[in-house]
Amino acid sequence: QSALTQPASVSGSPGQSITISCTGTSSDVGGYNYVSWYQQHPGKAPKLMIYDVSNRPSGVSNRFSGSKSGNTASLTISGLQAEDEADYYCSSYTSSSTPLVFGTGTKVTVL
Amino acid sequence: QVQLQESGPGLVKPSETLSLTCTVSGGSISSYYWSWIRQPPGKGLEWIGYIYYSGSTNYNPSLKSRVTISVDTSKNQFSLKLSSVTAADTAVYYCASSSGYDWAPDWYFDLWGRGTLVTVSS
Repeated sequence: QSALTQPASVSGSPGQSITISCTGTSSDVGGYNYVSWYQQHPGKAPKLMIYDVSNRPSGVSNRFSGSKSGNTASLTISGLQAEDEADYYCSSYTSSSTPLVFGTGTKVTVL
Repeated sequence: QVQLQESGPGLVKPSETLSLTCTVSGGSISSYYWSWIRQPPGKGLEWIGYIYYSGSTNYNPSLKSRVTISVDTSKNQFSLKLSSVTAADTAVYYCASSSGYDWAPDWYFDLWGRGTLVTVSS
């Protein structure tokens, strides 16, 4: 099972909105509403930001939102802040041999 | 609140078995799914497998022949054993939890340990 495809890097200025894509197949992203997103600061554990495509856990800022179209899921960060600078990973349930696959990761830089 | 803490040797020799334990504090290990996830230095995340508090398991097929995950409900701990390790197994190992049902977990991890670096080297 190959990793889901994410852009290596995305950048934006404070206050702007950015979108990170996560592309899979009909066996994972496109076939199930089990996409989640994680934020990881350097040297820290990942933190759940979005689950089941578009749900935010309690305590996560509403500046973070998730969506899906076909085989591509997206994480949008609006009102970009310096603290949003981190690596972001998507993941999805998959009907292939491995039930869970992560994305390749995206480094978000706040200019 | 519930916290997870990984523990175990930071250095393992090639061909030996990597053993880690995750201690669950502030809550019960029952009624949740418990996973191990690893991240090689500078690379992405890889799900290793999970165990339900009842003992049922599911492993990543790419590691299945070498992995054993077990649970000790009396100690509120679950453990990872990875045999025949090589340098490719060098990574930060995280324990994490998922909610779910008796028949399947929720496929996201809402609680993570801090992670522990395991280096495979002679």
